[in-house]
Amino acid sequence: SAVISQKPSRDICQRGTSLTIQCQVDSQVTMMFWYRQQPGQSLTLIATANQGSEATYESGFVIDKFPISRPNLTFSTLTVSNMSPEDSSIYLCSVEAGDRGYYGYTFGSGTRLTVV
Amino acid sequence: LAKTTQPISMDSYEGQEVNITCSHNNIATNDYITWYQQFPSQGPRFIIQGYKTKVTNEVASLFIPADRKSSTLSLPRVSLSDTAVYYCLVGGDRVKLVFGAGTILRVKS
Repeated sequence: SAVISQKPSRDICQRGTSLTIQCQVDSQVTMMFWYRQQPGQSLTLIATANQGSEATYESGFVIDKFPISRPNLTFSTLTVSNMSPEDSSIYLCSVEAGDRGYYGYTFGSGTRLTVV
Repeated sequence: LAKTTQPISMDSYEGQEVNITCSHNNIATNDYITWYQQFPSQGPRFIIQGYKTKVTNEVASLFIPADRKSSTLSLPRVSLSDTAVYYCLVGGDRVKLVFGAGTILRVKS
């Protein structure tokens, strides 16, 4: 299945600043997903990013706060803008697993963000 | 998207078999049932997937009754390293995943 490299693995940022998280996949994929996992909580889908089109955001998430780029079929970035302590979470990207007969997804190891 | 319901937490001891049941009453005809495992500070990892009846791999078994409104993940002879959160998800190809709360499994020695 696809292998994902996500950077950075963790960061501590000052409030009001922005952080861009990168997700690199070792194969071409159509759909890439960005999730947020707040401390002690489950994963919440932020947006779906397809190459060549605008990302589709879930309810409660907006492009101004979480702009996403998808320049090609192996790469995507998520920016967390104008950060506040409430943005402290783990951010994960996910792609289709790519295994024949397996309808599922592979996840990156996540970016642990702390906003101070 | 089918909603899933799982127990919030379960405790077990090393060497025991653990069964985690998931309810998904609104599963669609073309939906698959997939279980993921998540350790702290890691992304979820695929465990097993099935459509109906029973599926077994080197890690777990998945039992799905004929009506497909529930499924049971079976972990044989758990060890301390199986302590994790287990998520049951329902969906098909190129469908976004919607995670429920998951089941926290604690394995004790």
